[in-house]
Amino acid sequence: DAGVIQSPRHEVTEMGQEVTLRCKPISGHDYLFWYRQTMMRGLELLIYFNNNVPIDDSGMPEDRFSAKMPNASFSTLKIQPSEPRDSAVYFCASSRGLTNTGELFFGEGSRLTVL
Amino acid sequence: AQTVTQSQPEMSVQEAETVTLSCTYDTSESDYYLFWYKQPPSRQMILVIRQEAYKQQNATENRFSVNFQKAAKSFSLKISDSQLGDAAMYFCAYRTNDMRFGAGTRLTVKP
Repeated sequence: DAGVIQSPRHEVTEMGQEVTLRCKPISGHDYLFWYRQTMMRGLELLIYFNNNVPIDDSGMPEDRFSAKMPNASFSTLKIQPSEPRDSAVYFCASSRGLTNTGELFFGEGSRLTVL
Repeated sequence: AQTVTQSQPEMSVQEAETVTLSCTYDTSESDYYLFWYKQPPSRQMILVIRQEAYKQQNATENRFSVNFQKAAKSFSLKISDSQLGDAAMYFCAYRTNDMRFGAGTRLTVKP
């Protein structure tokens, strides 16, 4: 089975530009998570979905960030406009419900650099 | 809010020796999961071991084992017979619905 697929793996953009990160979760998983990883702040939970519905977006830094999950096999994280402080690795992860193992399966991450 | 604390930013171990990484967490829940993830330089997040809070028996996966102390809210990871490939960042994580991570411990393995 394919794992969690993220794209792009690397993105370099200029301040003010719109950035869209994409994620395809593992088929059959009903939870999807977006994390941001930086040296200073570690792994931060941005938002998570259950059955395509956003459950908790309290970790989204500000209104410049938005996330959608239009169907069970696709999610996007959008930053508009981007700023240099948004530079980080963004991870998408998916899992089955908690009656299973509870394990999160991670994608390889998208490294974003905002100049 | 649940928090996860890893008090050791860096640890070092000699190859073939044993090392223990510490983790504590804060929660008011009685049912939850605890995890250790490994992140090598490739940045891929890899599950090392998992513990269900309702299980009293400590989880073991080959050279990796945990010491789960529910009352103390402690969840340490022991790596036995350390290998060079164990060098990585190790993250402790707590899950009810969402999953929260500690700040990580960077493990160096000396040959």
